[in-house]
Amino acid sequence: GAVVSQHPSRVICKSGTSVKIECRSLDFQATTMFWYRQFPKQSLMLMATSNEGSKATYEQGVEKDKFLINHASLTLSTLTVTSAHPEDSSFYICSAASGGAAYNEQFFGPGTRLTVL
Amino acid sequence: DAKTTQPNSMESNEEEPVHLPCNHSTISGTDYIHWYRQLPSQGPEYVIHGLTSNVNNRMASLAIAEDRKSSTLILHRATLRDAAVYYCILRVNSGYALNFGKGTSLLVTP
Repeated sequence: GAVVSQHPSRVICKSGTSVKIECRSLDFQATTMFWYRQFPKQSLMLMATSNEGSKATYEQGVEKDKFLINHASLTLSTLTVTSAHPEDSSFYICSAASGGAAYNEQFFGPGTRLTVL
Repeated sequence: DAKTTQPNSMESNEEEPVHLPCNHSTISGTDYIHWYRQLPSQGPEYVIHGLTSNVNNRMASLAIAEDRKSSTLILHRATLRDAAVYYCILRVNSGYALNFGKGTSLLVTP
């Protein structure tokens, strides 16, 4: 199957700083990328959907000015957590999809564990 | 979106078959049934999907009820590496994100 990478895999930062997470589709062009976060012992929660070259669509309750998403190319999307606080500590996961059919699978990155001190 | 219902947890012995059930009584005719699994501290991975007919691949089999209101993911011989949370998800269009429920946490014991 297709490969999606995330970088970094793990990051620790101080409260108030910004952190950028990269999501790359390595061997296919992703028309759509999704960002999820997962708190301990919970399921994945969708944060936003981004299509290449257009603004991301954020889920209700997710602050677009705090979680900046850029999808500048068909192989790269970035999530920047601005002015991070301890409550932003979570496991952030991206996924990518190519094609618009309901039978298309999504390919997930390995996740980025963010710890804000 | 149509919802799915799965048991919170299941347990299996290693090398035994495992049948993971999923109820989706409000499924519509265009919904595909997808299964993903998430190993600890990893991103989810695709397992299998189907629409009406039973499906087999190298990872698992998917048995879909005739009325499509339920489905069962079958792992033919569970291994310790199959211990994960298994999510049953209905999809209309891949342009939309996957809506993850709580899934079933599978424990495999030696």
